[in-house]
Parts: sequence; C-alpha cells; structure tokens
Amino acid sequence: DVKVTQSSRYLVKRTGEKVFLECVQDMDHENMFWYRQDPGLGLRLIYFSYDVKMKEKGDIPEGYSVSREKKERFSLILESASTNQTSMYLCASSFRTNLGRNQETQYFGPGTRLLVL
Amino acid sequence: GENVGLHLPTLSVQEGDNSIINCAYSNSASDYFIWYKQESGKGPQFIIDIRSNMDKRQGQRVTVLLNKTVKHLSLQIAATQPGDSAVYFCAVLSGSARQLTFGSGTQLTVLP
Repeated sequence: DVKVTQSSRYLVKRTGEKVFLECVQDMDHENMFWYRQDPGLGLRLIYFSYDVKMKEKGDIPEGYSVSREKKERFSLILESASTNQTSMYLCASSFRTNLGRNQETQYFGPGTRLLVL
Repeated sequence: GENVGLHLPTLSVQEGDNSIINCAYSNSASDYFIWYKQESGKGPQFIIDIRSNMDKRQGQRVTVLLNKTVKHLSLQIAATQPGDSAVYFCAVLSGSARQLTFGSGTQLTVLP
C-alpha cells in the first residue's frame, strides 16, 4: 500500500513564525504535491515537484516555499506565518506514468491542521 | 482551464439504500477521472478511477459512470453503510494540463 506521512497532525503557531511541514512517501513516487483545503474552497494546489530539486508553482504559491532535496521528502515552508494561512494542509504523491503524463492517481497523507494565532 | 463542480454539497440516504453523487466538468479534453473519499479529520482516500475510453467501471460496492457527451461523472455506492459517511469529491485531469482539478465535495450522511 502507498504510504504518505506528514510530520504533524496538528500545529499551533504564532504570526510571523517560520513553519515547516514535512511530507514523506515510501513508494518511490516521482511527483509530490502540497495542497491546502478550506471549507467551501476545496483543494487548492500550492506547489508541486516532479523530481528532486525541482519545483513548480501551483495556483496559490504566495507566502509559501518548498524544498525537495530527496525523492521521498517534500517540505512546505511558511516563511512568516499569517492568520490567513490557518488551514488543513495535505501532501500527495503519484507516479510519473510511462505515457509521459505527469500525473495519475494521487495518494494523500493524513493532513496537518495548522492554526496561526 | 478546467472547472469541476458537484451538483449537491450534501446528500442524506437511508442505510441500505443506494447513493449517487454527481460531478460535472468543463473541459472536453479531460481524459482521466478519480473519485476520493475523505472522512472527518483524515486525508482523501482513493476510491476508484476511470479513463475517457470507458463509460463505466465497477469496484467493490462502487460504480463510476462517465458521460463524455454532457461532461458528467457519477459515483454510485450500493447498499450504503454508516461507514460510507464522508465527503466525496471528484478530480479531473485533462490531456494538456499538468495537474488534477478537484471538485469541492459532497458530504454524504447515512441515516440509520
């Protein structure tokens, strides 16, 4: 079974703090993603990565950065947390298919619920 | 771009009845579709997928139907059980896009 783990289930941080969210997958997936999920807005893509040291902006990258130093690990960084970054953060991973497409089924971690005070 | 929407934000069904959750998409080039289930406090869990060269696919108690003519996707759950209570959402991939587009989700509540 695919396993995607996230370092914390719940986090409480103060405005201005630097926040690190870690994600690890054990299925040798090339692709990794970070989303945030908010009521009424669904899943919104923050950043994604198709390979080590590679990153691309998603739909809402402002206020976030990412790091992918190893294939199995994808980190999301909030350089200076703000209250509007209070959300559920979801990490996902997937294989790069032989068809040359960059995405197939994405497998999700359990999520990190972040509260910024 | 792609717009993905679900027809109902909430759905309540009696235990043992069949459930049908619907999803509409906008891009006729979309060619891969996934249904996810998300229980409270957990991450989304893959249920079933279907490619555009098919119009029906069955799993264990679940069936996905794809109507490319009207750009409509549905998830049918047979003999709905209390453990099926969750948010269900579809995700759509179009051939030219590099990422999935997710619907906002339907909250399914199973009544005793």
